Amino acid sequence: KAGVTQTPRYLIKTRGQQVTLSCSPISGHRSVSWYQQTPGQGLQFLFEYFSETQINKGNFPGRFSGRQFSNSRSEMNVSTLELGDSALYLCASSLLVNTEAFFGQGTRLTVV
Amino acid sequence: EDKVVQSPLSLVVHEGDTVTLNCSYEVTNFRSLLWYKQEKKAPTFLFMLTSSGIEKKSGRLSSILDKKELFSILNITATQTGDSAIYLCAVNQGGKLIFGQGTELSVKP
Repeated sequence: KAGVTQTPRYLIKTRGQQVTLSCSPISGHRSVSWYQQTPGQGLQFLFEYFSETQINKGNFPGRFSGRQFSNSRSEMNVSTLELGDSALYLCASSLLVNTEAFFGQGTRLTVV
Repeated sequence: EDKVVQSPLSLVVHEGDTVTLNCSYEVTNFRSLLWYKQEKKAPTFLFMLTSSGIEKKSGRLSSILDKKELFSILNITATQTGDSAIYLCAVNQGGKLIFGQGTELSVKP
């Protein structure tokens, strides 16, 4: 069965712009989480969605937001991009909230 | 403050060696501990541990959790060059994964 699909794979944006990243979870999975990975901070939790509701949120500013649709697909949005937002953004899919999480290939965002 | 600490941070071994990677944690609302292997991009799921003392095994990899001492180990026997990767430990805190820094394993031929 298909894994977690993230689009786009690579993205270059300029400071001040906004960006939307997409994640399609494994078929049947209802929980989607987002993580930011940087060399300095490692993997950090952004937020988690289950059945279209945000159920958990990490310590990121309000410029980072997300949503989940009725088909469990999720998007995350970053507004007013800063250079420090350059990172690999990973989406993880789980059947339920506390079950195994499977990651997508990630979106590499570069802010210039 | 919740934290997950992995050791060593990096390790170089030769093919055929056995390695043990360590993960200790101090996390409130612990639900489970997960191990991942990250080569290029996506962390690949290895194990999820919820109960103490029950070893999980997959081929040459095995892992065990000690919830009293708050740590887990990941063992890799008869290492191969394909095992070279970053191994990540994460604790599930009610849906949110808290990750350690990772152990970078390099297996030389």
